[in-house]
Amino acid sequence: AQSVTQLDSQVPVFEEAPVELRCNYSSSVSVYLFWYVQYPNQGLQLLLKYLSGSTLVKGINGFEAEFNKSQTSFHLRKPSVHISDTAEYFCAVSARRSNDYKLSFGAGTTVTVRA
Amino acid sequence: DAGVIQSPRHEVTEMGQEVTLRCKPISGHDYLFWYRQTMMRGLELLIYFNNNVPIDDSGMPEDRFSAKMPNASFSTLKIQPSEPRDSAVYFCASSPQSGSREQFFGPGTRLTVL
Repeated sequence: AQSVTQLDSQVPVFEEAPVELRCNYSSSVSVYLFWYVQYPNQGLQLLLKYLSGSTLVKGINGFEAEFNKSQTSFHLRKPSVHISDTAEYFCAVSARRSNDYKLSFGAGTTVTVRA
Repeated sequence: DAGVIQSPRHEVTEMGQEVTLRCKPISGHDYLFWYRQTMMRGLELLIYFNNNVPIDDSGMPEDRFSAKMPNASFSTLKIQPSEPRDSAVYFCASSPQSGSREQFFGPGTRLTVL
């Protein structure tokens, strides 16, 4: 089974400052990794994903993440945040098996951007 | 495409009543997932289907919960009888059978059981 730990439950940040959200995973098999964002009263939306290839992944809205296999981490970063980035962010993991589409989510990190 | 459609968006019911949540996945998607989100337990996968067949229902809390997918464009999640601890936001998501693995989420149904 796979599991995800998001190390920060709340991250307050000032507008135009950088932000990093930490994610560590546990799995006995190779994995795919994802970051989703949830704006208030909405469903989740994919920010970016790592399936294979380059370990630095770029996503929507200026976000990027780096897969580190030795550290079993997939931290999310943005160099300069906007007020509109206020949301909850979820890291998720899926086993790298052809017919296994199950996602396991972390507990989420709430990002609050202040002017 | 309209995206994943869920109905109702809000449901308030009394303990003991039957509740049915509905989902229409994105056309052409082969996978459908039901999740529950609460403050205490976060986002939990309840069950998922592939080509209308249930693949993994290990997250279904107990026999009071059941899910069906009679065809590729419709799924239901039923709770009978409902209890206050079932209060949560229930999400439906769908995914194509391709390498992308992206799940597309609906807006959710907020269920309150009094």
